[in-house]
Amino acid sequence: KAGVTQTPRYLIKTRGQQVTLSCSPISGHRSVSWYQQTPGQGLQFLFEYFSETQRNKGNFPGRFSGRQFSNSRSEMNVSTLELGDSALYLCASSLALSGVGYTFGSGTRLTVV
Amino acid sequence: GIQVEQSPPDLILQEGANSTLRCNFSDSVNNLQWFHQNPWGQLINLFYIPSGTKQNGRLSATTVATERYSLLYISSSQTTDSGVYFCAVGDAGGTSYGKLTFGQGTILTVHP
Repeated sequence: KAGVTQTPRYLIKTRGQQVTLSCSPISGHRSVSWYQQTPGQGLQFLFEYFSETQRNKGNFPGRFSGRQFSNSRSEMNVSTLELGDSALYLCASSLALSGVGYTFGSGTRLTVV
Repeated sequence: GIQVEQSPPDLILQEGANSTLRCNFSDSVNNLQWFHQNPWGQLINLFYIPSGTKQNGRLSATTVATERYSLLYISSSQTTDSGVYFCAVGDAGGTSYGKLTFGQGTILTVHP
């Protein structure tokens, strides 16, 4: 079966712009979570969606937002990009809300210049 | 929030050697997973192991929840085992659901 698909794989944006990243979970998985990975802070939880509802949110500013559609696909948006937003953004899906058996996508590498 | 510490931070081995990676966590957990991040950035789920012992080929893991630690054993290491190994936990308290807190990882390098 197809894995978790994230698009695009690479992205270069200018400071002040906004960006939208997409994540398609494994078929049948209803929970989607997003993580940011940077060399300095490591892997940090952004948010989690289940049945189109945000169930949990990490400690990130309001510039970071997301949503989930009825087919479980999810998008995250970062507005007013800052240099510090440069990171690998990873999406994970799982069958249930508990996060058991996370399957991660290959990530979107965002560079802000 | 819950704290996760992994040791050692770096590990260099010759092919064929065995190794043990450790993960300490500061509070009760309802979820503990081990991941391997390959050089291309993909995180691969190795074990879901909030307690007990599991084995999968050359890899095995043990979590002693009452003492708040988990161990990942790699036997007869191969160059393809190189990468970063992460321990991630879910806080048993509150409504953390699927939120995982990751450790800083152990960078494993296996030389031929």
